[in-house]
Amino acid sequence: DVKVTQSSRYLVKRTGEKVFLECVQDMDHENMFWYRQDPGLGLRLIYFSYDVKMKEKGDIPEGYSVSREKKERFSLILESASTNQTSMYLCASQWTALNTEAFFGQGTRLTVV
Amino acid sequence: AQTVTQSQPEMSVQEAETVTLSCTYDTSESDYYLFWYKQPPSRQMILVIRQEAYKQQNATENRFSVNFQKAAKSFSLKISDSQLGDAAMYFCAFLIIQGAQKLVFGQGTRLTINP
Repeated sequence: DVKVTQSSRYLVKRTGEKVFLECVQDMDHENMFWYRQDPGLGLRLIYFSYDVKMKEKGDIPEGYSVSREKKERFSLILESASTNQTSMYLCASQWTALNTEAFFGQGTRLTVV
Repeated sequence: AQTVTQSQPEMSVQEAETVTLSCTYDTSESDYYLFWYKQPPSRQMILVIRQEAYKQQNATENRFSVNFQKAAKSFSLKISDSQLGDAAMYFCAFLIIQGAQKLVFGQGTRLTINP
């Protein structure tokens, strides 16, 4: 079975802290995605990556950055956490074969206080 | 920009009946893929059904089927014989395949099944 693992299920951080959210997949997927999920807004794409060291901005990249040094790992970085970044963060991975599904991690509920 | 719109924040249906969730999207691309995902209370996203835009035939998966209207940019999900286990958030998603592949989701519809 494909497994996408996010490093934490729940996280509490202080305003101004640098926060790292880690995502690891075990199926050699090329594509990886980071979303935030907020009630009424659905899943909004923050960043995505289609290869090692390659990244593309999604629809809401402000305040975030990403790193993909190895194919299996895609990190989301909040440079200086703010309270409006309190949210559920979901990571997903997918092969580039076009009709394949994306596999998701369990999500990280981040609270910034 | 490509967008996906789900206009029904919440829906409810009686057990064993049929319900349709709506989804519209906006794109200038001609080749793309569409998906419906389900997110139960456990938070684990699960693929329900997928549709290739170049195929005219609507996809079906057991009790789940879609009504894909390419000209209208509409992609609705029909759930037949609803079961209690179908209760979840349902998300419509759109995969852009030109250049870097980008997977865009709608706002979601919360489906409640009444026993």
